[in-house]
Amino acid sequence: ELKVEQNPLFLSMQEGKNYTIYCNYSTTSDRLYWYRQDPGKSLESLFVLLSNGAVKQEGRLMASLDTKARLSTLHITAAVHDLSATYFCAVDTFNAGNMLTFGGGTRLMVKP
Amino acid sequence: DTGVSQDPRHKITKRGQNVTFRCDPISEHNRLYWYRQTLGQGPEFLTYFQNEAQLEKSRLLSDRFSAERPKGSFSTLEIQRTEQGDSAMYLCASSGDRPTYNEQFFGPGTRLTVL
Repeated sequence: ELKVEQNPLFLSMQEGKNYTIYCNYSTTSDRLYWYRQDPGKSLESLFVLLSNGAVKQEGRLMASLDTKARLSTLHITAAVHDLSATYFCAVDTFNAGNMLTFGGGTRLMVKP
Repeated sequence: DTGVSQDPRHKITKRGQNVTFRCDPISEHNRLYWYRQTLGQGPEFLTYFQNEAQLEKSRLLSDRFSAERPKGSFSTLEIQRTEQGDSAMYLCASSGDRPTYNEQFFGPGTRLTVL
């Protein structure tokens, strides 16, 4: 059974600081997705990572994928309050009916 | 451009009642998914349709749950004899028929509260 683990589960950081969220998964996959969820809202797609070594950047967020280590990272640069949200990674094994298996989420709070 | 829509957005029901939710995917998407999300957790897969065919069902989908996508467009998820443990956000997602990846776009969700 595929397991996806994120850490930390909760992250409180000051504006202007950098930090990294980690996403580990337990089986071979080269498709990993990052989503953002604001309280009471649905999920917004942030990044699609499709191969080993893939790196995507959007604003202050950068995501990378290492399929050999079964690890993805979401790096936050110079955090701002607007980034406060819960971030989920999800893995698609493609052979398992195309379902996404999500991590437990990282709740990010950026303080002024 | 209309994204994935879901109706209702909120549903409060008493234990033992039946409820039905509707999902309208992005129009050109042939894949449709249902997930359930409880507070503080990531979404969990329930079931998947390709066009009108239901191709995957999670073991989370007990026999009280049924989903349909009769004409390969909108889908319904019905829960019979609701229980308090069914209280959750029910999310629908859709994706297109790309051969290499499966980016799913989520609707706003239906929040179910079972009293």
